[in-house]
Amino acid sequence: KAGVTQTPRYLIKTRGQQVTLSCSPISGHRSVSWYQQTPGQGLQFLFEYFSETQRNKGNFPGRFSGRQFSNSRSEMNVSTLELGDSALYLCASSPRTPSEGELFFGEGSRLTVL
Amino acid sequence: SQQGEEDPQALSIQEGENATMNCSYKTSINNLQWYRQNSGRGLVHLILIRSNEREKHSGRLRVTLDTSKKSSSLLITASRAADTASYFCATTNTNAGKSTFGDGTTLTVKP
Repeated sequence: KAGVTQTPRYLIKTRGQQVTLSCSPISGHRSVSWYQQTPGQGLQFLFEYFSETQRNKGNFPGRFSGRQFSNSRSEMNVSTLELGDSALYLCASSPRTPSEGELFFGEGSRLTVL
Repeated sequence: SQQGEEDPQALSIQEGENATMNCSYKTSINNLQWYRQNSGRGLVHLILIRSNEREKHSGRLRVTLDTSKKSSSLLITASRAADTASYFCATTNTNAGKSTFGDGTTLTVKP
């Protein structure tokens, strides 16, 4: 069974640009969560989608948005990039709700904002 | 603020020794999980312990949970160089509907 796939793996953007990251969950998993990981803040929860509905959202500004498609694939978008958005963005899928079981993580998308 | 806090932040041991990491959390939980992350990679799930369980084993891993103290420990026995990684605890509860991660313990196992 294929794991969680995140694309692109690496990208470099400049301040003010926008970026879209993609996540394909494990087949059959309906829940997709996104996390931002930085050395200073650790793993911060962004949002969680289940069956195309955003069920939870972390404490991030409105520049961070996401969506989930009918095939459970998910995208997240960051607009008007800031230097502080440089991070490893991790996507995780789960067959159930995150509160019920383990998360299966992708390798992440490393974003560098110059 | 993060729900979980790991202790110590960094741990360095020799191959063959045991490694113990601790996690404390603040609110009631459904379950607690431990994950491993190799440098710059995604997280790998190691073990899940439910709130009504006190101890769980998986291979060389032993996890304990003390809900009265709101704490958990991860023991890795007979460590290997390949165990070098960061280890995170994550807590979940029904109300939050998400997993909240601690800051992690960086384990270095010297060959």
